[in-house]
Amino acid sequence: NAGVTQTPKFQVLKTGQSMTLQCAQDMNHEYMSWYRQDPGMGLRLIHYSVGAGITDQGEVPNGYNVSRSTTEDFPLRLLSAAPSQTSVYFCASSYMGQGEFSYEQYFGPGTRLTVT
Amino acid sequence: EDQVTQSPEALRLQEGESSSLNCSYTVSGLRGLFWYRQDPGKGPEFLFTLYSAGEEKEKERLKATLTKKESFLHITAPKPEDSATYLCAVQAGDYKLSFGAGTTVTVRA
Repeated sequence: NAGVTQTPKFQVLKTGQSMTLQCAQDMNHEYMSWYRQDPGMGLRLIHYSVGAGITDQGEVPNGYNVSRSTTEDFPLRLLSAAPSQTSVYFCASSYMGQGEFSYEQYFGPGTRLTVT
Repeated sequence: EDQVTQSPEALRLQEGESSSLNCSYTVSGLRGLFWYRQDPGKGPEFLFTLYSAGEEKEKERLKATLTKKESFLHITAPKPEDSATYLCAVQAGDYKLSFGAGTTVTVRA
């Protein structure tokens, strides 16, 4: 099991450029999500998905798009990069289950993005 | 809106000096409270899930406890390899996680 994989590990963009951050998981998890992590602010949810074809916005969705065509993949698109999007981006996945209990999210290694 | 506050922001310990980290939260309909460990340049690594007040979980030198308003992560006789940032998160009914800003623990030999 590779778990959650993310590519690239590092990326530098110029303002206005677009790019896609890739995320894949091999655990057959229904739930996938994208977070950004900034110093002193903790992890903030950007977008999430509860299954193929279903996505929804998190706390900080502006400037980002997602799609989920398969269970395994959940790419994050930056439409027109801005310096405020300089951050470390983490993808995560988890089993959802059907009962009252929660299941832990497994995180990828992160993508460090700098927008100049 | 779910809120999670962790304290202190940073904690410097001598090897063997036990201490506790605090996570206070407000959430409507708690499904679970999670503790993660994050090493520099890495993604968060799952430690514990707590579901109801009074619950406790242990793993090596770490012990997590939960009340109706807060959770504590106790580190007993820490070693330098326990140095990391510890993150607390709560999950409500919509599966979304709300994270605190974390406590960075440094253990000196």
